Amino acid sequence: NAGVTQTPKFRVLKTGQSMTLLCAQDMNHEYMYWYRQDPGMGLRLIHYSVGEGTTAKGEVPDGYNVSRLKKQNFLLGLESAAPSQTSVYFCASSYSVGATEAFFGQGTRLTVV
Amino acid sequence: DQQVKQNSPSLSVQEGRISILNCDYTNSMFDYFLWYKKYPAEGPTFLISISSIKDKNEDGRFTVFLNKSAKHLSLHIVPSQPGDSAVYFCAASARSAGGTSYGKLTFGQGTILTVHP
Repeated sequence: NAGVTQTPKFRVLKTGQSMTLLCAQDMNHEYMYWYRQDPGMGLRLIHYSVGEGTTAKGEVPDGYNVSRLKKQNFLLGLESAAPSQTSVYFCASSYSVGATEAFFGQGTRLTVV
Repeated sequence: DQQVKQNSPSLSVQEGRISILNCDYTNSMFDYFLWYKKYPAEGPTFLISISSIKDKNEDGRFTVFLNKSAKHLSLHIVPSQPGDSAVYFCAASARSAGGTSYGKLTFGQGTILTVHP
């Protein structure tokens, strides 16, 4: 009963490097989300997807790209990492229309030096 | 502009007493409110929710109260237990926004609750 799984759990990047965070859910949820959590800021929505092949911008999308090629996976990419992207990243998923609570992964702690 | 605010960064309570966590919002389109609990090194987990058509929802030791006119909600935990020590996030959603909310949540900053034995 995995739920939402994020890979990797920790990563250190140098400024300018690129990486992809992987999120996988086994609950057949339509909607998936990427949030970042920063001290004193709560969780902020980066990008989201309402179904396979769709993506949309959230509150803080700059510097990130996403893809949803398969319903169960949602990838978050950083093309050229910056220190401002040091954060804890959470993936979440929820049912479709009328979705209430979202289910979260365990998080990825990313440090950009 | 922070649309959901939790003005108390931390709260300390004695075991067995009541914990009251507060949350304010500014967006009148929000019509569904949730509380999440987060332990260190884990993702947030859903705790309890309330629709704007209600003013109270109970689930065991947890009760959420909603005051729409004041744009304020609170989470009561009675009795508090040491295992309740965690960060609590208030979140809001505009579910009835023409079906386009897509379950997006707007979170508050979080309140660290510490329950002392």
